[in-house]
Amino acid sequence: TQLLEQSPQFLSIQEGENLTVYCNSSSVFSSLQWYRQEPGEGPVLLVTVVTGGEVKKLKRLTFQFGDARKDSSLHITAAQPGDTGLYLCAGARGYQKVTFGTGTKLQVIP
Amino acid sequence: GAVVSQHPSWVICKSGTSVKIECRSLDFQATTMFWYRQFPKQSLMLMATSNEGSKATYEQGVEKDKFLINHASLTLSTLTVTSAHPEDSSFYICSARGKDSWSYGYTFGSGTRLTVV
Repeated sequence: TQLLEQSPQFLSIQEGENLTVYCNSSSVFSSLQWYRQEPGEGPVLLVTVVTGGEVKKLKRLTFQFGDARKDSSLHITAAQPGDTGLYLCAGARGYQKVTFGTGTKLQVIP
Repeated sequence: GAVVSQHPSWVICKSGTSVKIECRSLDFQATTMFWYRQFPKQSLMLMATSNEGSKATYEQGVEKDKFLINHASLTLSTLTVTSAHPEDSSFYICSARGKDSWSYGYTFGSGTRLTVV
């Protein structure tokens, strides 16, 4: 059972556009991670957020953890073709296993 | 940074044979390793969790006799797909977690593409 729902599932945009990906759950997580995965490769960690309301920036990517630690968002400014990939959020509760979101496939067209 | 090496990156095998996939943590001790399966354009589905020196914990619906997991050392876990069938064809990914990384991201291997013909 997927506990983390991501939206949208697919997104195709032009280079230079902005976009936001959402990760929602009815459960509370102690931390939430965002990963990007390219075809044929394992996921690569982008960021971890642990505090409700926390905002982290990684160049053109802005990550926010919801106040109640049940949801998160990823905002990309001025998307580049290199941003293309599968974006996955993943939530953890303490020292337990990580639960992955349903994934958002992003395509940035030059 | 933490590095996890997964081998092989791809393998083709005949139906009925067994295939072993290795997952090694190169620069840290992985107290826990996770094995995932990923179908095309889908997210990762956890198959099992293995702790060094103990039996793996399998997720519901995963056949433990078919997917044998061994975590004999703090740097190596193996997944053996026994009597493989075409429906076992998939992308298998491992991840590892060290002692102090419970609240942080997990390090993933680069995955193994298994094709059973």
